[in-house]
Amino acid sequence: DAGVTQSPTHLIKTRGQHVTLRCSPISGHKSVSWYQQVLGQGPQFIFQYYEKEERGRGNFPDRFSARQFPNYSSELNVNALLLGDSALYLCASSLAKNDRVNGYTFGSGTRLTVV
Amino acid sequence: GDSVTQMEGPVTLSEEAFLTINCTYTATGYPSLFWYVQYPGEGLQLLLKATKADDKGSNKGFEATYRKETTSFHLEKGSVQVSDSAVYFCALAPEGGKLIFGQGTELSVKP
Repeated sequence: DAGVTQSPTHLIKTRGQHVTLRCSPISGHKSVSWYQQVLGQGPQFIFQYYEKEERGRGNFPDRFSARQFPNYSSELNVNALLLGDSALYLCASSLAKNDRVNGYTFGSGTRLTVV
Repeated sequence: GDSVTQMEGPVTLSEEAFLTINCTYTATGYPSLFWYVQYPGEGLQLLLKATKADDKGSNKGFEATYRKETTSFHLEKGSVQVSDSAVYFCALAPEGGKLIFGQGTELSVKP
């Protein structure tokens, strides 16, 4: 079975541009969460979507938005990019909204560089 | 608020040495606890987990015990290998569906 897949793997954007990152969860998983990992730090929670609705949001500005589609895949959008948005963006999927028993499976991430 | 604190790295060990990476947490309620590992250039892999006090998670020779009285979840391995070189993250899952991570501990194992 395919794991969590993210695309693209790498991209470079210019300050002020917009970016869309994509994630496909493990088949059967209905929850998708997004995390930002700045170099040398632990991942920080951005959003969780479950059954196509936003179920949680971290402390990120409104420039960050996301959505989940009927097939449970998800997009993370970031507008008006800043240099500080350069990071590894990780997607995690789980069976349940709060799957503290089974845990969360992560994709390999999208490395975003803003220049 | 909920938080996780890990021992700072990098940790450098010789092959076959004993490993301990300390992790303490602050949380309300009864969170689950996890250790994730990140190899260079990759995403996070779940290493082990514990869902309630006194549970011991184990995988690939690594172990960690959920200690509610000391709010700790220290990672241990009896004999490390070069292939264990990676960054290790302690994380907690409180109510609500998100993970809260520590800052990570880099482990380097020399032959």
